[in-house]
Amino acid sequence: QSALTQPRSVSGSPGQSVTISCTGTSSDVGFYNYVSWYQQHPGKAPKLMIYDVSKRPSGVPDRFSGSKSGDTASLTISGLQAEDEADYYCCSFAGSYTFVIFGGGTKLTVL
Amino acid sequence: QVQLQESGPGLVKPSQTLSLTCTVSGGSISSGGYYWSWIRQLPGKGLECIGYSHYGGSSYYNPSLKNRVTISLDTSKNQFSLKLSSVTAADTAVYYCARPTPTGWFDPWGQGTLVTVSS
Repeated sequence: QSALTQPRSVSGSPGQSVTISCTGTSSDVGFYNYVSWYQQHPGKAPKLMIYDVSKRPSGVPDRFSGSKSGDTASLTISGLQAEDEADYYCCSFAGSYTFVIFGGGTKLTVL
Repeated sequence: QVQLQESGPGLVKPSQTLSLTCTVSGGSISSGGYYWSWIRQLPGKGLECIGYSHYGGSSYYNPSLKNRVTISLDTSKNQFSLKLSSVTAADTAVYYCARPTPTGWFDPWGQGTLVTVSS
């Protein structure tokens, strides 16, 4: 199964908001409310930022929010900060045969 | 707080078997109904779930790797392991261990270990 589609890069200035999209199909993103998002700084392991489309784990700032419409999920980061500069990956549950599909990743640049 | 740490050789020869271990601290791999998984990140690429194993016996392997992968649990050492056979240069990647939920989100993750396949 193909990876979920994310923009290669997005950018924003400190204090602004950015949204990263993640497009799948009616078999994964569109079917299940089990989309998660991960932040990865260079040389570091991915960190869970959002799960079940819009839930935030303890310790993740409320500047990070998730949503979904149809086959597309979105991660919005408001009040951009320099430390938000990283790669972001989406992931969707896709059933018992495939389990999960990851997106190709989006590089966020804070200008 | 559960923490995971990968260990194993950083260099494997082509056609040989890649073997990695993930040591779990702060919790037992046999409690809580948790799954235990391996994920890899090819150089400059995205993430790929290799598979998971559950203490109760269920497991999942990525269909593209299924014939070459084994994930097993060692409850006496609170570790789980990955074996990937017949490796090629295409298996060069950073390998992470992580704890997934049945609905496919992963937390926590190990720090990752780079495995290079080369003669």
